[in-house]
Amino acid sequence: KAGVTQTPRYLIKTRGQQVTLSCSPISGHRSVSWYQQTPGQGLQFLFEYFSETQRNKGNFPGRFSGRQFSNSRSEMNVSTLELGDSALYLCASSLSSGASTDTQYFGPGTRLTVL
Amino acid sequence: KQEVTQIPAALSVPEGENLVLNCSFTDSAIYNLQWFRQDPGKGLTSLLLIQSSQREQTSGRLNASLDKSSGRSTLYIAASQPGDSATYLCAVSTWVAAGNKLTFGGGTRVLVKP
Repeated sequence: KAGVTQTPRYLIKTRGQQVTLSCSPISGHRSVSWYQQTPGQGLQFLFEYFSETQRNKGNFPGRFSGRQFSNSRSEMNVSTLELGDSALYLCASSLSSGASTDTQYFGPGTRLTVL
Repeated sequence: KQEVTQIPAALSVPEGENLVLNCSFTDSAIYNLQWFRQDPGKGLTSLLLIQSSQREQTSGRLNASLDKSSGRSTLYIAASQPGDSATYLCAVSTWVAAGNKLTFGGGTRVLVKP
């Protein structure tokens, strides 16, 4: 079974631009979550999508948004980029069955650098 | 608000020594706890998941324990090898608004010296 894939793997943007990151979950997984990882703040939860609906949202500004498609693939968008948005963006998928055995599987991440 | 702490932030041991990594959390109302491994610049690899009703979980050289009442988990890695060098992260899962959210600790960076 293929794992979680993320594209692109690396991105370089300049301040003020916008960017879209993509995540394809493991086949059969309906939940996709996004996390931001920086050296200073560690791993922080951005949002979770389930069946094309945002189910949870972390404490990030409205410049960070996302969506999920009917095939469970998800995109994350960041508008008006700031230097502080430079980070590794990770997505995770899970069955989200409601069971305590529900494991989240992570993709390799997209490294975003804002100049 | 759930907070997860991992101490120490870094650890260096000679090859063959057992590793003990600690994780503490403030809210015991967790769904499960996962331990992950992260190699530099890479994504996270799930190592072990302990359900909230379990006390421990084992996989090969890895053993993780969970004490919900005290808000602690410990990851033991037996007979460490240089290939075990990585950052180890623990994350607790809480069921929020019918969704699954992970709160991560800051990680412990491990170096196993040959």
